[in-house]
Amino acid sequence: SYELTQPLSVSVALGQTARITCGGNNIGSKNVHWYQQKPGQAPVLVIYRDSNRPSGIPERFSGSNSGNTATLTISRAQAGDEADYYCQVWDSSTAWEVFGGGTKLTVL
Amino acid sequence: EVQLVQSGAEVKKPGESLKISCKGSGYSFTSYWIGWVRQMPGKGLEWMGIIYPGDSDTRYSPSFQGQVTISADKSISTAYLQWSSLKASDTAMYYCARHLTYYYDSSGYYHPENLPDYWGQGTLVTVSS
Repeated sequence: SYELTQPLSVSVALGQTARITCGGNNIGSKNVHWYQQKPGQAPVLVIYRDSNRPSGIPERFSGSNSGNTATLTISRAQAGDEADYYCQVWDSSTAWEVFGGGTKLTVL
Repeated sequence: EVQLVQSGAEVKKPGESLKISCKGSGYSFTSYWIGWVRQMPGKGLEWMGIIYPGDSDTRYSPSFQGQVTISADKSISTAYLQWSSLKASDTAMYYCARHLTYYYDSSGYYHPENLPDYWGQGTLVTVSS
């Protein structure tokens, strides 16, 4: 089955740029979606189909996907960006939905 | 406004049965798939399965096939997740989410996908003797 690998944690200084990676075999051939989950809350879609932002998501959130790595980039990181972030793809060969293990973002 | 409202927290004993619900509003309930996602305490998201309320076509993750049943009642815009015999290991938060399952690119080509775009608030299930 298809697997997605994320770092357990990423730290970023306030106002700097955070990059969260999601690794998978030839993930660049798939559409990657990213979710933000704050403590005690449901996940929220922040990037869909690699690089698209849903309405209401700040422009500071962006995404890219190539080769074996997809990346969520958060520019000018704010304290309110502290959360767990999950990548997700749909594996068309099995028709299963796959989530990465999640990355805890800490803003210092 | 798209909303998915889930039923309240449950506390059950091992061996008991349970059915939790997810009511959709603000969109055509029968035109979108609804999926269920498990989050065990302190852990990540796991896809359990998905149902199309229009015709009740249902698919399960192999990890959950036979362990739970997903159903829907389109007359009341509600999807369900149920267990016939709960285990302590079923203790978790359960989320429902509306799914987009296809899109057309800028050239007009059809692409299948599974994209959970709107999520319910979650239902906490605690199984303890």
